[in-house]
Amino acid sequence: DIQMTQSPSSLSASVGDRVTITCRASQSIGASLNWYQQKPGTAPKLLIYAASSLQSGVPSRLSGGGSGTDFTLTISGLQPEDFATYFCQQSYSSPWTFGQGTKVDIK
Amino acid sequence: QVQLVQSGAEVKKPGSSVKVSCKASGGAFRKYEISWVRQAPGHGLEWMGGIIPFPGVPQYAQKFQGRVTITADDPTSTVYMELSSLQSEDTAVYYCARRIGFSHSMFDLWGQGTLVTVSP
Repeated sequence: DIQMTQSPSSLSASVGDRVTITCRASQSIGASLNWYQQKPGTAPKLLIYAASSLQSGVPSRLSGGGSGTDFTLTISGLQPEDFATYFCQQSYSSPWTFGQGTKVDIK
Repeated sequence: QVQLVQSGAEVKKPGSSVKVSCKASGGAFRKYEISWVRQAPGHGLEWMGGIIPFPGVPQYAQKFQGRVTITADDPTSTVYMELSSLQSEDTAVYYCARRIGFSHSMFDLWGQGTLVTVSP
């Protein structure tokens, strides 16, 4: 199975900050990487697919990058609605695996 | 607009089984895979398996092979996930999710989740 490791596991930031979350795969996965946002008590929501493509309706302050084994999710100008937990997920090979999550909370 | 609506919360005894449903409404049902992903308290997301309703051949994560059964009922546009031999560590929220895409797949639509509690 492909292991996905996110860092940091949590971070504190202020509205307006730029934050970057990193996701590393245990083997090369090309661009087969998705990002999700989850708020307490709700299902995950797809943000970015194929490493850098923004899902319809997702604000452009979110962006994804990387390929191979190292990927990033960047939020430029953090907004109140962005405080949540973020997960990466590889779609390269089954079983589809997720990172352990990064919780972004208010400083 | 397509929606996935799951059945309600369940409380089960250790050693028993649970069957959770996921009904698709508002769009094509047959051609997209419906997967099951669980989230134990304070833990991350874990893919259990999935099925393309037509022809209805399931795929399971090895971890759950032999303990999980995923089926689809085409006339009612419903996918079921049955998990047997439940233990306390199976206490989790279980989500169904639609997986789309070919070269780069993704879970683009999720059900609201079903809490399964395993307790003596």
